Amino acid sequence: DGGITQSPKYLFRKEGQNVTLSCEQNLNHDAMYWYRQDPGQGLRLIYYSQIVNDFQKGDIAEGYSVSREKKESFPLTVTSAQKNPTAFYLCASSFPPYPNQPQHFGDGTRLSIL
Amino acid sequence: SQKIEQNSEALNIQEGKTATLTCNYTNYSPAYLQWYRQDPGRGPVFLLLIRENEKEKRKERLKVTFDTTLKQSLFHITASQPADSATYLCALGGSSNTGKLIFGQGTTLQVKP
Repeated sequence: DGGITQSPKYLFRKEGQNVTLSCEQNLNHDAMYWYRQDPGQGLRLIYYSQIVNDFQKGDIAEGYSVSREKKESFPLTVTSAQKNPTAFYLCASSFPPYPNQPQHFGDGTRLSIL
Repeated sequence: SQKIEQNSEALNIQEGKTATLTCNYTNYSPAYLQWYRQDPGRGPVFLLLIRENEKEKRKERLKVTFDTTLKQSLFHITASQPADSATYLCALGGSSNTGKLIFGQGTTLQVKP
């Protein structure tokens, strides 16, 4: 079955540490997105990519970095510069034309601080 | 700045009744509006999309309306069931070809048997 796989499901970060969240899709989608979800708040866009080797900052990109070396993969690194990283992180993908297509989401990674 | 408001309080209804969820927005002219369902600890799942020139969209027990004058969308679930209990998110998309969506904070629906 096609879908989006996020790993790990739970992740713990120590002070000063960078951590990388994995996102893989086998839907053959061109676009991929990373969102952050905090309790009582809507999803906020961190980064998005519409094509391999290209990505753009979303609304809250500070303290995060991404890469898009393969169509199927869009990993997110939470750097030590992100001072409040505790949140639920969601990866999504979609076909063009945007936004006339739904976004398909993975089941998220919950990041906590040790 | 752009703002989306969904009912912040949980909506509790009896099984078999119609649930109505509201999505209001300001300082934005969306070309599309989407509704998603999210279960605890899971990612959102797409339900319906409605365009700015459409007044109403239906899918089985679901109905969405879109009033660009009132800047509001209503999401209805008829003959609600306990399995419909979840958080429902609305998301707005503009006419630019970026795919970016702006999400509301969601409304939690609880359907009691």
